[in-house]
Amino acid sequence: ILNVEQSPQSLHVQEGDSTNFTCSFPSSNFYALHWYRWETAKSPEALFVMTLNGDEKKKGRISATLNTKEGYSYLYIKGSQPEDSATYLCANMDTGRRALTFGSGTRLQVQP
Amino acid sequence: KAGVTQTPRYLIKTRGQQVTLSCSPISGHRSVSWYQQTPGQGLQFLFEYFSETQRNKGNFPGRFSGRQFSNSRSEMNVSTLELGDSALYLCASSLDGLPSNEQFFGPGTRLTVL
Repeated sequence: ILNVEQSPQSLHVQEGDSTNFTCSFPSSNFYALHWYRWETAKSPEALFVMTLNGDEKKKGRISATLNTKEGYSYLYIKGSQPEDSATYLCANMDTGRRALTFGSGTRLQVQP
Repeated sequence: KAGVTQTPRYLIKTRGQQVTLSCSPISGHRSVSWYQQTPGQGLQFLFEYFSETQRNKGNFPGRFSGRQFSNSRSEMNVSTLELGDSALYLCASSLDGLPSNEQFFGPGTRLTVL
């Protein structure tokens, strides 16, 4: 994988559903993986920064895992709420450059 | 603590003109990065400044330039504007730009080139 890829592109779920997204990134020269939530008309907000293989992070109902050897990260949302509606972006940073490379995001819509 | 601020929030320019955007990072943050967001390309890295020095640059033409001042405030300049420069420009600050540090984004400047 040469770029950061996210799937699915969009997701519609009902309130209370649990959901997960995937972020794939180049596994070579890995340095860090960031997850951001971007709500409409607001600024992207950092959710997690992960650097170690096997890292698991949790913030309330949202959690993330990281596999640097195979180059993927999962973001999980348990019991989705309408306020979780946003675009979720992942971005990786490799050892070659000090810059985040973003995926195109997963747009989540949670219906009440 | 005040967040990242960007000015102006909206800007309309015509082709051929130049524009300067400003970003004030969170107090104490020394790294400022700039990104361009377009519907087709997503968030693309422009450049990063740390202690008044450009440390990294993305794949953009030389018309895009920036600088950082001693108080860590940063400006980016786009000369000879093209229609394709219409985008949301976001800046983000972090303590020192280390990969393990999260970036804090500003609200962005929406640039429209006519």
